[in-house]
Amino acid sequence: NAGVTQTPKFRVLKTGQSMTLLCAQDMNHEYMYWYRQDPGMGLRLIHYSVGEGTTAKGEVPDGYNVSRLKKQNFLLGLESAAPSQTSVYFCASSYGAWGGTDTQYFGPGTRLTVL
Amino acid sequence: AQSVSQHNHHVILSEAASLELGCNYSYGGTVNLFWYVQYPGQHLQLLLKYFSGDPLVKGIKGFEAEFIKSKFSFNLRKPSVQWSDTAEYFCAVTLHGSSNTGKLIFGQGTTLQVKP
Repeated sequence: NAGVTQTPKFRVLKTGQSMTLLCAQDMNHEYMYWYRQDPGMGLRLIHYSVGEGTTAKGEVPDGYNVSRLKKQNFLLGLESAAPSQTSVYFCASSYGAWGGTDTQYFGPGTRLTVL
Repeated sequence: AQSVSQHNHHVILSEAASLELGCNYSYGGTVNLFWYVQYPGQHLQLLLKYFSGDPLVKGIKGFEAEFIKSKFSFNLRKPSVQWSDTAEYFCAVTLHGSSNTGKLIFGQGTTLQVKP
């Protein structure tokens, strides 16, 4: 049982390049989330999904797109990377209990640098 | 907009000292409260959570937190810290309700450094 895994662990991009971050979970969770972590700002929600085939915007969605074609995978895309997107990206998943009482399980993170 | 504030950004303690990390949130409705910890080089993991019942919640590794509704606070405590508690600590909130979808609102984080 691997929990939540993220690929890749590190990446360096040039401004304008595109890339996709992959998140996979093997816990049969309904809900999945993408966060970014920046110094002094905690974690901020980018996009989330409440089930296969669904996505929704979080607090800071601009410049990112997501897809949830399979229940176990949640992809985060950057179409044209900008230096402001330099950050550590965390994926998380949860069962999806009503009322937001769930524990979210986090992946190990992806450190992205945009030059 | 709802927010979570952690007033201590960087705390340095000696081993065996007592710890209290502050967390306040701004939301008038019912909330669920969490403390997550991120050890160096590791991913976030849950320390404890509160959503109903006894406002004093006990978590893993000897941590506890008290929910004080009148103060909108959920402070984290540990009577005696160890060097292995060196980590970053995040307070987080979800808003209780059918439209919630479990979105966590995080505080800025507190870096705890414990000196041996």
